[in-house]
Amino acid sequence: DTGVSQDPRHKITKRGQNVTFRCDPISEHNRLYWYRQTLGQGPEFLTYFQNEAQLEKSRLLSDRFSAERPKGSFSTLEIQRTEQGDSAMYLCASSFGTQNTGELFFGEGSRLTVL
Amino acid sequence: AQSVTQLGSHVSVSEGALVLLRCNYSSSVPPYLFWYVQYPNQGLQLLLKYTSAATLVKGINGFEAEFKKSETSFHLTKPSAHMSDAAEYFCAVTELSGGSYIPTFGRGTSLIVHP
Repeated sequence: DTGVSQDPRHKITKRGQNVTFRCDPISEHNRLYWYRQTLGQGPEFLTYFQNEAQLEKSRLLSDRFSAERPKGSFSTLEIQRTEQGDSAMYLCASSFGTQNTGELFFGEGSRLTVL
Repeated sequence: AQSVTQLGSHVSVSEGALVLLRCNYSSSVPPYLFWYVQYPNQGLQLLLKYTSAATLVKGINGFEAEFKKSETSFHLTKPSAHMSDAAEYFCAVTELSGGSYIPTFGRGTSLIVHP
C-alpha cells in the first residue's frame, strides 16, 4: 500500500496521559498536514510541514500539542496531559509539488478517545 | 480568514434522482476549491478541484461542480444518484498563509440515498 498510513488507528486513554500518533506520508510527498475532526464537523487544520520544517500552526494547537517531522519523512503528533476535549479523529494528509494548490491525500485517521 | 458554508448537514435523495450539495465560500478572490468524499471508515479522497481553469469541473463517479464567482459558490451535482454515492461530502477552499496554501473545510454534508 503506497497511501498515507497512520498508526494507531484507535487509541483509548485516560485523562492526563500522553499519546503519540504517527503518520507515514506517500513517499515522494514533501508536504504533510495534520487535521482534527470531531463528530459532525469538517477537518480543522492543526499544523503543516514542508520537508522537516513546521511552517504553520493553528491557534487550535495548544501548548500540550507538539508535532515533529525530523527527517522530512514520517511525522509524529504528541498530545500531553490529554483532556476529554481532545477526543477526536486525527487526520494526516500529504501532498507534493512546488506550488501547492491544496490537493491533499489523506490517511484513514487515528481515533482518540479520552476517558 | 476563509470560511466555507455547506448548507444542509444531511441531504436525502432517491436512487436515480438529482444530487445537489451546496457550498459557499467567503473570499472575493477566486481561490482553489475542492470537493472531497469520505466513505464510512475510510479517509477523505478528492472528488474534484477547481484551479482557475474551466468554471465547470468534472470529477470522479459522475460528479461535477460549477464555480460561480458572483455567487461565491461551488455547488456539487450529479444527475442520477446511485446507492454507492452515500457518503459524507466536504467542500474545501485554500487560503494562502505564510506562503503555503492551507485548505479550510466545511462542516460536511451527509448524502443519504434511498432505494
